[in-house]
Amino acid sequence: DGGITQSPKYLFRKEGQNVTLSCEQNLNHDAMYWYRQDPGQGLRLIYYSQIVNDFQKGDIAEGYSVSREKKESFPLTVTSAQKNPTAFYLCASSSRGTGYGYTFGSGTRLTVV
Amino acid sequence: KQEVTQIPAALSVPEGENLVLNCSFTDSAIYNLQWFRQDPGKGLTSLLLIQSSQREQTSGRLNASLDKSSGRSTLYIAASQPGDSATYLCAVETSGSRLTFGEGTQLTVNP
Repeated sequence: DGGITQSPKYLFRKEGQNVTLSCEQNLNHDAMYWYRQDPGQGLRLIYYSQIVNDFQKGDIAEGYSVSREKKESFPLTVTSAQKNPTAFYLCASSSRGTGYGYTFGSGTRLTVV
Repeated sequence: KQEVTQIPAALSVPEGENLVLNCSFTDSAIYNLQWFRQDPGKGLTSLLLIQSSQREQTSGRLNASLDKSSGRSTLYIAASQPGDSATYLCAVETSGSRLTFGEGTQLTVNP
């Protein structure tokens, strides 16, 4: 079945540590996205990529980094510069261009310990 | 900047009721609007996608309408069931292939 796989489901980060969240899709979608979800604030866009080897900052990119070396993969690194990383992280993909819907993964819950 | 608002923030209804969830957006220059469902601790499941040139879409007991000129969409759920309990999110796609989300409506359907 086609879809998006996020791993791990739960992740714990110590202060000052970098962690990487995985996102893999087998939908052959060109575009991929990372969103952060906090209670009462809806979803906010962190980074997005419309093609391999290219990506753009979203609304809250500070303290995060991404790469897009393969069409299927769009990992997100939460760096130590992100002061409040505890949140639910969602990855999504869509076919390139407008008029196509988005498919979301099942999310990774990151907690700072 | 596009802003999306969903009303009400929470809704509790008895099983069997028909209900309407509302979504409004400030910039009518959208490509499409998508309704999602989110269960607690889970990802988003797409329910309906309405292109900017369309007025409505239907899937089973769900019907979504779009009035682009007035910046409004509604999601109609017929004959609600306890399994419909979830948070419903509205999102609009604008230029640059970006989705802007509302904060959602938390729906509880009581048996």
